[in-house]
Amino acid sequence: DTAVSQTPKYLVTQMGNDKSIKCEQNLGHDTMYWYKQDSKKFLKIMFSYNNKELIINETVPNRFSPKSPDKAHLNLHINSLELGDSAVYFCASSQDLTVTLEQYFGPGTRLTVT
Amino acid sequence: AQSVTQPDIHITVSEGASLELRCNYSYGATPYLFWYVQSPGQGLQLLLKYFSGDTLVQGIKGFEAEFKRSQSSFNLRKPSVHWSDAAEYFCAVGGATNKLIFGTGTLLAVQP
Repeated sequence: DTAVSQTPKYLVTQMGNDKSIKCEQNLGHDTMYWYKQDSKKFLKIMFSYNNKELIINETVPNRFSPKSPDKAHLNLHINSLELGDSAVYFCASSQDLTVTLEQYFGPGTRLTVT
Repeated sequence: AQSVTQPDIHITVSEGASLELRCNYSYGATPYLFWYVQSPGQGLQLLLKYFSGDTLVQGIKGFEAEFKRSQSSFNLRKPSVHWSDAAEYFCAVGGATNKLIFGTGTLLAVQP
């Protein structure tokens, strides 16, 4: 059973397009996250949601909009894609906001913008 | 500002040799420290964590790490490396905001 799943695994698209990445967790966790890993493997948090409520919103362009329809899902929609958006996007979840808890990561979505 | 530094971008060790990956952090309050491992094409998996108590913590896959407050370090060690340990290793620090700040990673290669 996959704990945190993401679709698609690979996404190739052209500049200016709009795309979405979906994330689902079957762990019963309350908190979910989106991270961006750039070409140098630097991993940075973008958003976190707790019980569908936005908790962390890092300095991410407005073109990125997370949506959490329920506790088990956190989707990432990106408008007007730019070359610099090319990266691997990881979804993660944790039981709640307690920082000492493990975050479980999905396998990642490799986004390539051409 | 909060930050994590992993000075070694790439390390190569021979199978069976010991390993130490360095991590230094800058954090204003009591830090919560983590080591994650990322195998090629995979997400991150937690190896171990420290938030209080014994400064030597044991993790999965035979890894351990030692928290040294005076040196602001949380180095990861393993006495005998296996070929399957080849991966990218990330140190991270977290605090009350539940936001993890990651280092830039150390890529470990294992020679037969």
